[in-house]
Amino acid sequence: DAGVTQSPTHLIKTRGQHVTLRCSPISGHKSVSWYQQVLGQGPQFIFQYYEKEERGRGNFPDRFSARQFPNYSSELNVNALLLGDSALYLCASSFNQANNYGYTFGSGTRLTVV
Amino acid sequence: AQTVTQSQPEMSVQEAETVTLSCTYDTSENNYYLFWYKQPPSRQMILVIRQEAYKQQNATENRFSVNFQKAAKSFSLKISDSQLGDTAMYFCAFMKRGSQGNLIFGKGTKLSVKP
Repeated sequence: DAGVTQSPTHLIKTRGQHVTLRCSPISGHKSVSWYQQVLGQGPQFIFQYYEKEERGRGNFPDRFSARQFPNYSSELNVNALLLGDSALYLCASSFNQANNYGYTFGSGTRLTVV
Repeated sequence: AQTVTQSQPEMSVQEAETVTLSCTYDTSENNYYLFWYKQPPSRQMILVIRQEAYKQQNATENRFSVNFQKAAKSFSLKISDSQLGDTAMYFCAFMKRGSQGNLIFGKGTKLSVKP
């Protein structure tokens, strides 16, 4: 079975642009969470989606948005990119909403804003 | 708010030896879960071990074990018989029971296993 897949792997954008990152969860997993990992730091929680609804949100500005599709894949959108948005964006999936057994992560999208 | 602190930015160990990574956390919650994740250069976060706060018994997974001290809010990871493939960043993480997928991570410890 395929793990959590994220695309693209790497991305370079200019300040002020918009970006869309994509995540496909493990087959059968209905929950997707997004994390931002700035260089030298641990990941920070951005969103969780379960059954196509936002179920949790971290302390990120409204420039960050996401959605989940009927097939449970997800998109993370960031508008008006800032240099500080440069980071590794990780997607994690789990079968249900409150998975206390840990999440399965993808390998991330490395976003560089210039 | 919960916080997770990893006080060792970098550590190294000789192959086949034992190493312990430290983690402390701060919370007023009583029901929660603690995790250790490994992030090799491939960038994928891999779950190493998980501990339920209401269980006193320390979790063990093959060469990996934890020392969970709930009163002291300490959660250290012991790696026995270290292997070259254990070289990675290790992150300690906290999750409140019933939270909406919100894992709170520490800043990580970079572990190098030397031949």
